Amino acid sequence: DAGVIQSPRHEVTEMGQEVTLRCKPISGHDYLFWYRQTMMRGLELLIYFNNNVPIDDSGMPEDRFSAKMPNASFSTLKIQPSEPRDSAVYFCASKSPGTYNEQFFGPGTRLTVL
Amino acid sequence: AQSVAQPEDQVNVAEGNPLTVKCTYSVSGNPYLFWYVQYPNRGLQFLLKYITGDNLVKGSYGFEAEFNKSQTSFHLKKPSALVSDSALYFCAVRDGDSGAGSYQLTFGKGTKLSVIP
Repeated sequence: DAGVIQSPRHEVTEMGQEVTLRCKPISGHDYLFWYRQTMMRGLELLIYFNNNVPIDDSGMPEDRFSAKMPNASFSTLKIQPSEPRDSAVYFCASKSPGTYNEQFFGPGTRLTVL
Repeated sequence: AQSVAQPEDQVNVAEGNPLTVKCTYSVSGNPYLFWYVQYPNRGLQFLLKYITGDNLVKGSYGFEAEFNKSQTSFHLKKPSALVSDSALYFCAVRDGDSGAGSYQLTFGKGTKLSVIP
């Protein structure tokens, strides 16, 4: 099993540019989560999907952030326009069907906005 | 609302000694509790979980955790620490009585464990 796959692993961009982060969940998992990790705020849940449908996006910080899940094997998190305060590590996680199952995390994308 | 507190930013322990990483939680319904470990430049890895049943839960790499309902705690323990256990540890909680389809985990700030040779 390849685990959760995220790309790119590192992204450096300039303020104002559009950034797209990608995630491939583990096959057969029906939940997908996007998190952001910073030293100041720790690990924050941004949004999560069930069967490709967004369930809770209350953690999305601003309208500049958007996420999609067009099918069961792919999700994107987009920031447009990006700002320096968006610099963080973004994690994707997925969970298999079942009430008690844990989440599996990808390796993360380290985003730096200059 | 649900929350997790990890009162220690850092824990230092000598190799071979027992280790404890503390976690307390607050949740309105039944607590589902999890421990994850994060090594540098890596994603979080699942260690163990408590859903119901025996208060002592055993997990990966020799770790265990004790659920204490009266103290609302879920401390992570290991009888003999290894240098390779040095990492960032996160406790997380989910409200087991939350609505169907709600799987939001709330994480603590993390505790950095350093095992000294």
